[in-house]
Amino acid sequence: DAKTTQPPSMDCAEGRAANLPCNHSTISGNEYVYWYRQIHSQGPQYIIHGLKNNETNEMASLIITEDRKSSTLILPHATLRDTAVYYCIVRVTGNQFYFGTGTSLTVIP
Amino acid sequence: EAQVTQNPRYLITVTGKKLTVTCSQNMNHEYMSWYRQDPGLGLRQIYYSMNVEVTDKGDVPEGYKVSRKEKRNFPLILESPSPNQTSLYFCASSLRTSVSPGEDTQYFGPGTRLTVL
Repeated sequence: DAKTTQPPSMDCAEGRAANLPCNHSTISGNEYVYWYRQIHSQGPQYIIHGLKNNETNEMASLIITEDRKSSTLILPHATLRDTAVYYCIVRVTGNQFYFGTGTSLTVIP
Repeated sequence: EAQVTQNPRYLITVTGKKLTVTCSQNMNHEYMSWYRQDPGLGLRQIYYSMNVEVTDKGDVPEGYKVSRKEKRNFPLILESPSPNQTSLYFCASSLRTSVSPGEDTQYFGPGTRLTVL
């Protein structure tokens, strides 16, 4: 079973909010959800993480459902530079992480 | 500047010729990891290390070796590379992992693109 499930691709108009969903129905109670993004073939870059409560930083907001089985990354005002692959990550075991294939977000002018 | 460095960035080699990809971090991180990235398969974990002299297999360890003799370095060794190891490789590090995570933010290197002919 996939540890996380994300849509393979999404489009978003420049200046609009981009909402990227992730399903992590098997997540353990004390495990965080992490979001990273990868621009072209560069190394993935950390965006945000959360446990139960919604989180916000200068890059994005993270909304986690009450049952913690899914989350949504929100880029409030998407720019062309936000075009990237976005990964929702959970810990598989104590020291192992599952990245999956991510969502390829294209921001359209 | 806090960073993870990898060398070489690009490498073309032939089947069976042993090679090492180096990874070094200057953040005093406990945890280090290697991933490979292939089209349609995303990022998959090869090996990881909790600390010096402690290494463990990830999802796809076959054909790879690692060592952690110093905290800052975590080289990836391909003793006998094969064409199916052609891939983009990333090294990452984080402050620590624990049963109560919070410092698991991983910092990634720039990647090494390996081609095995």
